[in-house]
Amino acid sequence: KQEVTQIPAALSVPEGENLVLNCSFTDSAIYNLQWFRQDPGKGLTSLLLIQSSQREQTSGRLNASLDKSSGRSTLYIAASQPGDSATYLCAVDQGGSEKLVFGKGTKLTVNP
Amino acid sequence: DAGVIQSPRHEVTEMGQEVTLRCKPISGHDYLFWYRQTMMRGLELLIYFNNNVPIDDSGMPEDRFSAKMPNASFSTLKIQPSEPRDSAVYFCASSLSLQGGQPQHFGDGTRLSIL
Repeated sequence: KQEVTQIPAALSVPEGENLVLNCSFTDSAIYNLQWFRQDPGKGLTSLLLIQSSQREQTSGRLNASLDKSSGRSTLYIAASQPGDSATYLCAVDQGGSEKLVFGKGTKLTVNP
Repeated sequence: DAGVIQSPRHEVTEMGQEVTLRCKPISGHDYLFWYRQTMMRGLELLIYFNNNVPIDDSGMPEDRFSAKMPNASFSTLKIQPSEPRDSAVYFCASSLSLQGGQPQHFGDGTRLSIL
């Protein structure tokens, strides 16, 4: 059974700092890994999707990498801003199906 | 294009009552998912549909939960009878195909409180 772990559970940084969020998964037989952002009282917003044939994806100040063999992904946020404050969730598909298994997220606070 | 639309946004009801949550997926999306989010368990998939057909309901907690998708633009998740432990945020999501590299898109959720 696929399990996804995100460490740390919470992170507080000053504005402008570069930071890395971590995600690990137990079953490396995945086809996709997706990073989401969740603001309080809101749904999840898809940030980046990495297919198994890819090693990384970039969108603006965000860069996500995937190492299937080690069961790890990182989300790198450059020059963090207070508006980046949110919970970031990582999810992987289960056995190549349409089902996603989620980590419990990292709550990021960027202080002005 | 409008995103995934869920209603109601908030629901407070007494134990034993029937609860119906509604979802309108993004037009053209083939897949629809129902999730439940709690502090203790995080985000869990309850059931998903492909072209209106339920594909996997292994996450549905028990027979009190049922979901339907009568057409491509509407789905319901029903709890009968409701219990306090059903209190959670319920999300609906839709997608073209994850295996095709298309992400899932989420609604804003229904916050359900069972008293």
